[in-house]
Amino acid sequence: NAGVTQTPKFRVLKTGQSMTLLCAQDMNHEYMYWYRQDPGMGLRLIHYSVGEGTTAKGEVPDGYNVSRLKKQNFLLGLESAAPSQTSVYFCASSHNERASYGYTFGSGTRLTVV
Amino acid sequence: GENVEQHPSTLSVQEGDSAVIKCTYSDSASNYFPWYKQELGKRPQLIIDIRSNVGEKKDQRIAVTLNKTAKHFSLHITETQPEDSAVYFCAARPLSGGYQKVTFGIGTKLQVIP
Repeated sequence: NAGVTQTPKFRVLKTGQSMTLLCAQDMNHEYMYWYRQDPGMGLRLIHYSVGEGTTAKGEVPDGYNVSRLKKQNFLLGLESAAPSQTSVYFCASSHNERASYGYTFGSGTRLTVV
Repeated sequence: GENVEQHPSTLSVQEGDSAVIKCTYSDSASNYFPWYKQELGKRPQLIIDIRSNVGEKKDQRIAVTLNKTAKHFSLHITETQPEDSAVYFCAARPLSGGYQKVTFGIGTKLQVIP
């Protein structure tokens, strides 16, 4: 049981390049989330999904797009990377909207945009 | 929306001493308050949570207290050990809205000095 798996773990992009971060969970969770973590700012929600085929904006969605074509996968895309998107990205999932058992986080992706 | 303030941002204690981290929240409708521990380079992991119908919850050396009237909750770690060194995040979830929305604090970096 792998839980929540994120790929890649590290990436360096040049300004203007694009990339996709993959999040996969094997817990049959309905809800999935993408967060970014920056020093002094905690975890901020980028986008989330409440089920296959659905997505919604979080607190800081600009510059990112997401897709949830399959229940187990939640993709985060950067169409034209900017240095301000240098961050650590975490995917998370939860069983239901109340997350009675809390989130399960992935191991994170450290992205540097130069 | 919800606003969660967490302090202190850094905390150093001697091994064996107690550590207390405090959070305040703004939305009186919040009813679920989890705490996450993030070790260096690792993913955040849920360590304890409390619901609004409970004033205190303990799990071995960690405890969380909640004061709904004052809208604050605290994490208490007793008999600290070096392996307690990590960043701790508090969070709050409001009742309003059809989907889960968890707001995180900015984190407290705890250092336990052997």
